[in-house]
Amino acid sequence: QSVLTQPPSVSGAPGQRVTISCTGSSSNIGAGYDVHWYQQLPGTAPKLLIYVNSNRPSGVPDRFSGSKSGTSASLAITGLQAEDEADYYCQSYDSTLSGYVFGTGTKVTFL
Amino acid sequence: EVQLLESGGGLVQPGGSLRLSCAASGFTFSNYAMSWVRQAPGKGLEWVSTIRGGGDSTYYADSVKGRFTISRDNSKNTLYLQMNSLRAEDTAVYYCAKNRGSGSYPYWYFDLWARGTLVTVSS
Repeated sequence: QSVLTQPPSVSGAPGQRVTISCTGSSSNIGAGYDVHWYQQLPGTAPKLLIYVNSNRPSGVPDRFSGSKSGTSASLAITGLQAEDEADYYCQSYDSTLSGYVFGTGTKVTFL
Repeated sequence: EVQLLESGGGLVQPGGSLRLSCAASGFTFSNYAMSWVRQAPGKGLEWVSTIRGGGDSTYYADSVKGRFTISRDNSKNTLYLQMNSLRAEDTAVYYCAKNRGSGSYPYWYFDLWARGTLVTVSS
């Protein structure tokens, strides 16, 4: 049972904007620990998408953006494209568990 | 090219042991903390363990503490995960991942992932 909660799925039409929430608590996101996001395409390893709340690694399109506020974080995808169909995971650190934690994961699909 | 390549996965009986290896190339291995993250079939990601660049500090998830041991050989640019007393619930794809971030633990994230190796615990 993950301590970071994400919606199981979100869907959108090509070109549309979708957002994925990541809800934590006072022992992880709310304690000030950074949030990072990973994209996992079908049958492949996860890939870093957003680090330290809102930063994009080199090569990640600028249609991906991240934000953090209070005990939650969000990932937004603007201009949804076919290659964006994947699973997305948020990640942070939890002081009660004394370890890294991942979100429950969200599958992004086309309508 | 920056790369991580795992080996050592396979089928093992409950209560058995297995050692995973992860060979790194393309970066100064000893400068970075390294981790293992696993994913049970059809499930989400679960952090397993992290080791600092010098190998002097290790961190474990409660689910594996006392059964798994993370280590590294910086002269061989290789990360290891020794898994003992394996259980059915340890069945997963195990990913080796490179850590990055400013400051010390736990202010790190996983910036490079290997392809993963499947560990199946079954009789």
